[in-house]
Amino acid sequence: AQRVTQPEKLLSVFKGAPVELKCNYSYSGSPELFWYVQYSRQRLQLLLRHISRESIKGFTADLNKGETSFHLKKPFAQEEDSAMYYCALGNDYKLSFGAGTTVTVRA
Amino acid sequence: NAGVTQTPKFRVLKTGQSMTLLCAQDMNHEYMYWYRQDPGMGLRLIHYSVGEGTTAKGEVPDGYNVSRLKKQNFLLGLESAAPSQTSVYFCASSYSKQPQHFGDGTRLSIL
Repeated sequence: AQRVTQPEKLLSVFKGAPVELKCNYSYSGSPELFWYVQYSRQRLQLLLRHISRESIKGFTADLNKGETSFHLKKPFAQEEDSAMYYCALGNDYKLSFGAGTTVTVRA
Repeated sequence: NAGVTQTPKFRVLKTGQSMTLLCAQDMNHEYMYWYRQDPGMGLRLIHYSVGEGTTAKGEVPDGYNVSRLKKQNFLLGLESAAPSQTSVYFCASSYSKQPQHFGDGTRLSIL
């Protein structure tokens, strides 16, 4: 069975500080991993996917198969990064979501 | 540019009542999804569709039925609502296997 764990429900950082959101997964095959974000009063949206190896809004995420992790990182957090972040694991059409981490960036 | 539109936004039902949630997308996406979100949990896939006229079960399909008669619409039905179905329901669509665009959600309470 596939499972996604986001160990931190809440994460508070100061503006300009690095931020890292942890995501661990369990899956027997080759995983497809994603990060979704929901800003206040906005819809949930796809932030990035591991296969793209892209940096979106300054965020990057590296898939570590040895540690079964897909942590989301940003070197310098901005106030507009305050949001709810979900890690998700894809198995064909079935996407399993973590419970989410609420990030608050303080001025 | 509406994207994904869900109706209604809120609804209160009594146990045993039936209702249909409507999801409409204007992006010509093939793939559409229905998720539910409960407190402290991530979104869980109820049903999905890979194209007009097709539907498939997700992770938690029991108690729900779906239909995709038109490409732009994906309906989620509750034939006999139960309190365990109290949740926030999200519809999503995508051009790929994983959802990309979500609706605002429907908050459903069953008494």
